[in-house]
Amino acid sequence: DQQVKQNSPSLSVQEGRISILNCDYTNSMFDYFLWYKKYPAEGPTFLISISSIKDKNEDGRFTVFLNKSAKHLSLHIVPSQPGDSAVYFCAASAYFNKFYFGSGTKLNVKP
Amino acid sequence: NAGVTQTPKFQVLKTGQSMTLQCAQDMNHEYMSWYRQDPGMGLRLIHYSVGAGITDQGEVPNGYNVSRSTTEDFPLRLLSAAPSQTSVYFCASTRLAGGRTDTQYFGPGTRLTVL
Repeated sequence: DQQVKQNSPSLSVQEGRISILNCDYTNSMFDYFLWYKKYPAEGPTFLISISSIKDKNEDGRFTVFLNKSAKHLSLHIVPSQPGDSAVYFCAASAYFNKFYFGSGTKLNVKP
Repeated sequence: NAGVTQTPKFQVLKTGQSMTLQCAQDMNHEYMSWYRQDPGMGLRLIHYSVGAGITDQGEVPNGYNVSRSTTEDFPLRLLSAAPSQTSVYFCASTRLAGGRTDTQYFGPGTRLTVL
């Protein structure tokens, strides 16, 4: 059973608007969460991370929110740009350092 | 720095054949790992290593072997290829910071087809 889930396979957003990508997890031992971005025929690249001791982390246009009680995290991209069009994966790990990935959300930012 | 390199980029095998997917990194990272990506499944951890001589299983280790004789290299061996192993394989590396892993750097992937 998947421990990290991304229930939206795709998302379409207009350029300049906010993109919100969601991720849910089941393992309460997870204490470190990451978002990766992936273009076709390339490996994933790191975007932003958050530790379980925080509930928010910002890096430029990207903000990750963590709701531990709901076992939910989200990635906000503001403003969205066409170059943000890619597949976004969330990932989580616990003390033993294995990473578990969600199935990904394909974001399409329309000009 | 070349980062994380993987060879080959593409490979076609027949059922029952064996092969080794190569992975190398030049960042002196202690932690290396192998993932497979399948449609609708995301990336699933096959094996990982926290240093030379140390390996451990991930979520989907069956049918795969690894070894880590040097810090730089982490090859993945398919013992007897099966059609279910058709996938895109990614190698990743990261430094260990205070005993925990930092963000991972991924290679470009190997697309494997087993007929």
